[in-house]
Amino acid sequence: DTEVTQTPKHLVMGMTNKKSLKCEQHMGHRAMYWYKQKAKKPPELMFVYSYEKLSINESVPSRFSPECPNSSLLNLHLHALQPEDSALYLCASSQSTGLNTEAFFGQGTRLTVV
Amino acid sequence: DQQVKQNSPSLSVQEGRISILNCDYTNSMFDYFLWYKKYPAEGPTFLISISSIKDKNEDGRFTVFLNKSAKHLSLHIVPSQPGDSAVYFCAASADYGQNFVFGPGTRLSVLP
Repeated sequence: DTEVTQTPKHLVMGMTNKKSLKCEQHMGHRAMYWYKQKAKKPPELMFVYSYEKLSINESVPSRFSPECPNSSLLNLHLHALQPEDSALYLCASSQSTGLNTEAFFGQGTRLTVV
Repeated sequence: DQQVKQNSPSLSVQEGRISILNCDYTNSMFDYFLWYKKYPAEGPTFLISISSIKDKNEDGRFTVFLNKSAKHLSLHIVPSQPGDSAVYFCAASADYGQNFVFGPGTRLSVLP
């Protein structure tokens, strides 16, 4: 199994809603990542988890709250988002954050904030 | 079946020489391509892009070449520096950057 699975595939939420994005991998990877991708732009790194601990937060607003409940799961909790947060949210994982590691990306969650 | 392939898992190059990283794809609908690099303890970060209307894009020491008929792109780094040692990923999009398919990566080691 070399998949990173993201759910849901599509999400529409209001600005007062609370929702969560989920990412799952069963490759034994200990590093997991969240990216945000706007249309026609490359993905931008948001968070890095290494061994279930947050190791990088790229100055992401607090309305995005990541959580890594175990080594296979990575969540992104969303609250009080703005329409400009509408984007594709990609999850990735790798064996570790070290140099010689291949990264696998999920298909993403298409988020629309209304 | 992998739509984006990087058939060389690793590459070693002497400092000052040219590094050439290759990427092949199968989907003729891909119209936008990216190269990423990944340093230790960091997530992959964007390096350079090219759209299908071009066959070359340069940014400093980095040049990406696209051969649409061969469904092949390559990243040239000239001159290579030890700080370029990283894993390099190729990514392709069929909807001009809306969604990407990523290759497995090539580990580049630039030797002093």
